[in-house]
Amino acid sequence: KAGVTQTPRYLIKTRGQQVTLSCSPISGHRSVSWYQQTPGQGLQFLFEYFSETQRNKGNFPGRFSGRQFSNSRSEMNVSTLELGDSALYLCASRKQGTSTDTQYFGPGTRLTVL
Amino acid sequence: DQQVKQNSPSLSVQEGRISILNCDYTNSMFDYFLWYKKYPAEGPTFLISISSIKDKNEDGRFTVFLNKSAKHLSLHIVPSQPGDSAVYFCAARIASGGSYIPTFGRGTSLIVHP
Repeated sequence: KAGVTQTPRYLIKTRGQQVTLSCSPISGHRSVSWYQQTPGQGLQFLFEYFSETQRNKGNFPGRFSGRQFSNSRSEMNVSTLELGDSALYLCASRKQGTSTDTQYFGPGTRLTVL
Repeated sequence: DQQVKQNSPSLSVQEGRISILNCDYTNSMFDYFLWYKKYPAEGPTFLISISSIKDKNEDGRFTVFLNKSAKHLSLHIVPSQPGDSAVYFCAARIASGGSYIPTFGRGTSLIVHP
């Protein structure tokens, strides 16, 4: 069974630009979560989508947004990029989003903002 | 405010010896705890979990211990192998009635020397 895939794997942008990252969950998984990983902060939760609806949101500014499509694929958008947005962005999928579910992570997209 | 803390950013262990990774949490509502392992250029992979109704869970070389009164958990790897060298993340979540979104610590980098 194919794992979680994320595209692109690497991205370089400049301040003020916007970026869209893509995540394809494991087939049959309906929940997709996004995390930001930076060296000093670990994994910080951005948001979770389930059946095309945002179900949970972390403590990030409105410049960070996302959406989920009917096939469960998800995109994350960051507008007006800042230097501090440089990070590894990880996507994780779960089957139903219940308490017994395990999250499966993709390899991440490494975003560098210059 | 960090609700899940991994106070040791790194740990170095000799092959064959025991590795002990520690994690503290502050939210007494957490009732399900997980450990993830992350290699460079890959997403975190689920390693082992424990429910708050238990104080120990074992899976091969990996054992997680939970001390609820101290709000402390630890991951023991015995014997340690060079392939265990990775970053280990502790995570906690509210399994019953919560959002099931885990809160992660900042990670501990384990290096196992041959």
